[in-house]
Parts: sequence; C-alpha cells; structure tokens
Amino acid sequence: DAKTTQPPSMDCAEGRAANLPCNHSTISGNEYVYWYRQIHSQGPQYIIHGLKNNETNEMASLIITEDRKSSTLILPHATLRDTAVYYCIVRVEPTDSWGKLQFGAGTQVVVTP
Amino acid sequence: DTEVTQTPKHLVMGMTNKKSLKCEQHMGHRAMYWYKQKAKKPPELMFVYSYEKLSINESVPSRFSPECPNSSLLNLHLHALQPEDSALYLCASSQDGDSFYEQYFGPGTRLTVT
Repeated sequence: DAKTTQPPSMDCAEGRAANLPCNHSTISGNEYVYWYRQIHSQGPQYIIHGLKNNETNEMASLIITEDRKSSTLILPHATLRDTAVYYCIVRVEPTDSWGKLQFGAGTQVVVTP
Repeated sequence: DTEVTQTPKHLVMGMTNKKSLKCEQHMGHRAMYWYKQKAKKPPELMFVYSYEKLSINESVPSRFSPECPNSSLLNLHLHALQPEDSALYLCASSQDGDSFYEQYFGPGTRLTVT
C-alpha cells in the first residue's frame, strides 16, 4: 500500500471550512484513498473514500488531484464535535492485504469556538 | 443498526489471569477485525476473520487467542498478558474483506494489565 503524509496538527475555527491535506505520491492506479477520524476515547469512524473523482457525502467532501498524488478532505462547516484525529489511508481494491487498514499518524484537528 | 458493541468497556487483569473480550455486530457483516491501540498511537491490526475463518494474523503473540463462534460474534481470549499489553482493543466489521466496504468500529475495551 502507498504511504501517506499528513500534517501532525491543525486548528480550525468553528463554523469555518476545515481543509485537511494528505500526500500519497506513490499511489498506484488501483489504490483508493480513504479517510477515517477518531474522536478521543472512541473507535475510528469512516468518513469517505474515492479513487479519482471528487466525492461528497453528508459528512465531508474529498478532492483528489488529477495526478492522484494528493487529496484534501473538506469539512464544510466545522463544529466542536469535529475535533478528532483524522487519518488518510490508501487501500488497494481488491486487495491481497485484504480488509487491512494501515493507519498512519494522522492529523489532530482542534476546532475552537 | 450500524453499531458494533464491545464488552467490557474497561478491564483490569493480573498477569496470571484469563479473561475474554467480546465483540458483536448485527449488520450481517462477514468480516471482523481486532485492532490494538496504544496511547497516542494509531490502531494496529491484530487479526482478521472472514466468513468465520481466521484470514490474517499479524504475528500476534499466542497469549492473544481470537475466536469467531458465529458471524455476529468475535472474541479475544487473553492469558498470561504482560503490562505492555495494556491498550485500547478495538473491534471492527465490514461487509466482507475483499471489496471496498468501510469498516465499522466499536468503542473499544480499555485493558490494563497489572
């Protein structure tokens, strides 16, 4: 699986958009980008995933660059409950390391009032 | 129901004890996972079960013994643990293992080995 690089921490003002970057310069053609988050003392929570097109769901939007070497997770209107560690993960589909999520260090996002 | 439940929430055990962690899901998922998470570190995969068969064992010591009695239940049996095994143990499930379905995580069991 391709390795990902994320900033260790970010602050965001409540009500503003939070843009979380992720670099995955070694990504290959069949590797998907997944985002999870982990609120303190809870299990990780799936947010969104994509291959090459931009994706949006009720939680967030995922923008993947045309060369697929980086992506941005956008939380459109951050709330205090969005304070969490956000993980960007690259996963092959289908995969022989199957079902296996390899979490990196992630980005600690703190949303402030 | 999109919930994965784990019991107990907290567990304190001595190094000579035997205990078990339990995980349950009723989403019809056929893949289930155990992860270990140390403080301020990301989760690390321990085991994967697919259709009630052990598919992946990430070189976990034998003092951790997983069991999948049916498609809804996953257990982790603990015996002769060491203090360094103290961690948050997370269970997850996904529709199956070889497609791009997301994993649903439980809240975890916080284990302290004394």
